[in-house]
Amino acid sequence: DIQMTQSPSSVSASVGDRVTITCRASQGISTSLAWYQQRPGKAPGLLIYTASTLQSGVPSRFSGSGSGTHFTLTISGLQPEDFATYYCQQTNSFPFTFGQGTRLDIK
Amino acid sequence: QVHLQESGPGLVKPSETLSLTCAVSGSSVNSGYYWGWIRQPPGKGLEWIATIFRTGSTQYNPSLRGRITISLDISKNQFSLRLSSVSAADTGIYYCARQIAPKQLVFDPWGQGTLVTVSS
Repeated sequence: DIQMTQSPSSVSASVGDRVTITCRASQGISTSLAWYQQRPGKAPGLLIYTASTLQSGVPSRFSGSGSGTHFTLTISGLQPEDFATYYCQQTNSFPFTFGQGTRLDIK
Repeated sequence: QVHLQESGPGLVKPSETLSLTCAVSGSSVNSGYYWGWIRQPPGKGLEWIATIFRTGSTQYNPSLRGRITISLDISKNQFSLRLSSVSAADTGIYYCARQIAPKQLVFDPWGQGTLVTVSS
């Protein structure tokens, strides 16, 4: 199985800040990576797929980059609704695997 | 607009079989999409369980293989999950989701999730 490791596990930031979350794959996955946002008590929602393609309806302050084994999710100009937990997921091969999550808290 | 809704018992006894159904509206399970189940233990991360295509083709998480069955009911536009020999480790929120082939089978959208507790 491909292991996905996110860092940091949690981060505190203020409204308006820029935050970057990293996801590393245990082996190369090209750009087969997705990012999801999960607000407390809610189901996850798709933000980005193929590492850098923004899902329709997702604000442009979200961006993704990377390929191979190293990926990043950047949120520029944090808004109150962005404080949530973020997960990466590899879509390169079964079994699909997720990172352990990064919780973004208000400072 | 596509909507998925999970249903099933909230409490299952250890060693019994968990059965969940995902009702789909706004899209046909007999279309070109795939359909999947994901779970989340309380306070923890996400684990993919299984995926099915309209042809009946399935993929299962090896960590659960032998205990899980995913199936499709085209007439009712729904798909289901059965997990046998459950234990406390199977407690969590179970989500169903559509998977989009041109987007590398990402999960979108998700159902709201249903909490399943395994306890005697």
